[in-house]
Amino acid sequence: KAGVTQTPRYLIKTRGQQVTLSCSPISGHRSVSWYQQTPGQGLQFLFEYFSETQRNKGNFPGRFSGRQFSNSRSEMNVSTLELGDSALYLCASSFLAGGEDTQYFGPGTRLTVL
Amino acid sequence: DQQVKQNSPSLSVQEGRISILNCDYTNSMFDYFLWYKKYPAEGPTFLISISSIKDKNEDGRFTVFLNKSAKHLSLHIVPSQPGDSAVYFCAAGGSGTYKYIFGTGTRLKVLA
Repeated sequence: KAGVTQTPRYLIKTRGQQVTLSCSPISGHRSVSWYQQTPGQGLQFLFEYFSETQRNKGNFPGRFSGRQFSNSRSEMNVSTLELGDSALYLCASSFLAGGEDTQYFGPGTRLTVL
Repeated sequence: DQQVKQNSPSLSVQEGRISILNCDYTNSMFDYFLWYKKYPAEGPTFLISISSIKDKNEDGRFTVFLNKSAKHLSLHIVPSQPGDSAVYFCAAGGSGTYKYIFGTGTRLKVLA
């Protein structure tokens, strides 16, 4: 079974631009979560989608948004990029999320904002 | 407020010895805990999990212990191997929350 895939793997943008990252979950998984990883901060939860509905959201500004499609694929968008948005963005999928459900991660998208 | 804490940012262990990684949490509503291993430029890889109804779970060289009264869990790796050198994250989740809270990670270095 194929794992979680994320595209693109690397991205360089300039301040003020916007960016869209894509995630394809493991086949059969309906929950997709997004995390931001920066040095010293661990993995910070952005949001979680299940069946095209956002069920939970982390403490990030409204510039960070996401969506999920009917095939469970998900995208996240960051508008008006700031230097501090430079990070590794990780997508994770699971069958349900919450409760005793294991999340499996993709390789991440490394975003650099200049 | 960091609900899941890994207070040791780094740990060095000799090959063949035991590695013990610790994690503390503050929210008593957490009832499912996971450990992940992460190499540079890769996504975290799931290692082992434990439900709050258990106090121990084993999988090969990896054992996770949960002390609910102390709100503490630990990951034991025996014997440690150089390939275990990575950053280890613990994560906690609660039923119905639809999210996991991660610690800041512990960098394990296994010396040959």
